[in-house]
Amino acid sequence: QKEVEQNSGPLSVPEGAIASLNCTYSDRVSQSFFWYRQYSGKSPELIMSIYSNGDKEDGRFTAQLNKASQYVSLLIRDSQPSDSATYLCAVNIQYGNKLVFGAGTILRVKS
Amino acid sequence: GAVVSQHPSWVICKSGTSVKIECRSLDFQATTMFWYRQFPKQSLMLMATSNEGSKATYEQGVEKDKFLINHASLTLSTLTVTSAHPEDSSFYICSVPGYNTDTQYFGPGTRLTVL
Repeated sequence: QKEVEQNSGPLSVPEGAIASLNCTYSDRVSQSFFWYRQYSGKSPELIMSIYSNGDKEDGRFTAQLNKASQYVSLLIRDSQPSDSATYLCAVNIQYGNKLVFGAGTILRVKS
Repeated sequence: GAVVSQHPSWVICKSGTSVKIECRSLDFQATTMFWYRQFPKQSLMLMATSNEGSKATYEQGVEKDKFLINHASLTLSTLTVTSAHPEDSSFYICSVPGYNTDTQYFGPGTRLTVL
């Protein structure tokens, strides 16, 4: 079983819609969760971090965490074509302060 | 967040040669840096943890004699790919943990092509 799983997509949404990206993880003791955005040919850039159960909002982005279900998601409201990218879910592994990344979900926002 | 630079941004080399990639933390001192590799259409895979003042810690399956890591100072870590072969062609990215957090900030990456 992979430690961090994401649907590879592509997820296609129309401009202005809500994009919902999902991620599950296997390590129950993980405490830190991150969403990164990666444009083609570029390195990942941090969008959100979340540490507690519930929702965390930052502008058009909302991260949701449910530790009991080992599930973390990212909602993007009012999606724009510039949001088209690969979104990587990352989980901090308890030992060694390392991040484990999911394979990423490709998001395409169509104008 | 941390500001991280990498040099070079891309490099093309012949098979059998060695290539050095630099990673610099520009706005604060980092005792730890991470090196990742990303093959096309795949996710980031952690190769090793670079530790200032001590040996790097390599992930399982990563050859430490092939991928030499030197954390020369609190702002600089280098990755040397020795005797590079075409299968080493990849996107190499370093990251720096944020100050007093476990968030990681990535450098712009180095694209290595081995002919």
